Amino acid sequence: AQSVAQPEDQVNVAEGNPLTVKCTYSVSGNPYLFWYVQYPNRGLQFLLKYITGDNLVKGSYGFEAEFNKSQTSFHLKKPSALVSDSALYFCAVRPNTGTASKLTFGTGTRLQVTL
Amino acid sequence: GAVVSQHPSRVICKSGTSVKIECRSLDFQATTMFWYRQFPKQSLMLMATSNEGSKATYEQGVEKDKFLINHASLTLSTLTVTSAHPEDSSFYICSARPPGQGYEQYFGPGTRLTVT
Repeated sequence: AQSVAQPEDQVNVAEGNPLTVKCTYSVSGNPYLFWYVQYPNRGLQFLLKYITGDNLVKGSYGFEAEFNKSQTSFHLKKPSALVSDSALYFCAVRPNTGTASKLTFGTGTRLQVTL
Repeated sequence: GAVVSQHPSRVICKSGTSVKIECRSLDFQATTMFWYRQFPKQSLMLMATSNEGSKATYEQGVEKDKFLINHASLTLSTLTVTSAHPEDSSFYICSARPPGQGYEQYFGPGTRLTVT
């Protein structure tokens, strides 16, 4: 069975500082990996994905993530945090086998950026 | 592009009644749609996968007679919560996957259901 671990319930960072939100995964075969952001009472917004190719993936709003196969990790990063980045972040994984394979989400990490 | 809408965004119903939630892909055809449930401060739990023109596949522990899913067209899936009870109160989110794109999923804005 596939799974995603987000070990931190909350990450606090000051505006302007770099941020990292951690994610590790377990899946049979090669993974498709995703990061989504959720604002209060809203659905999920897509940030970025890793499918294949370059391990460093750049996404929306200045976010990036690095796929590390040996560590089975896909940490989300941003060089300089903004207060508006404060939200709930979900990492997700699915195997790259067929269109019907299911997406499994982590438990989410709340990012709090303060002035 | 790739917009998914849900209607209603918020609904309050009385215990014992049924409520229908619509999920539409606005600018693409979705052969596969997914329904998720999210409890406060928790992750998304997949309830079922629906494929256009066929019966939905429910996840273990999800009552298919209580959560009726219909995917009658390539742009519309509906979730009907039958005989709703307060414990069914939750945030329901749908997502849609276009054909030919084996990895992308687009999410709707969610529906907040409150059963009184």
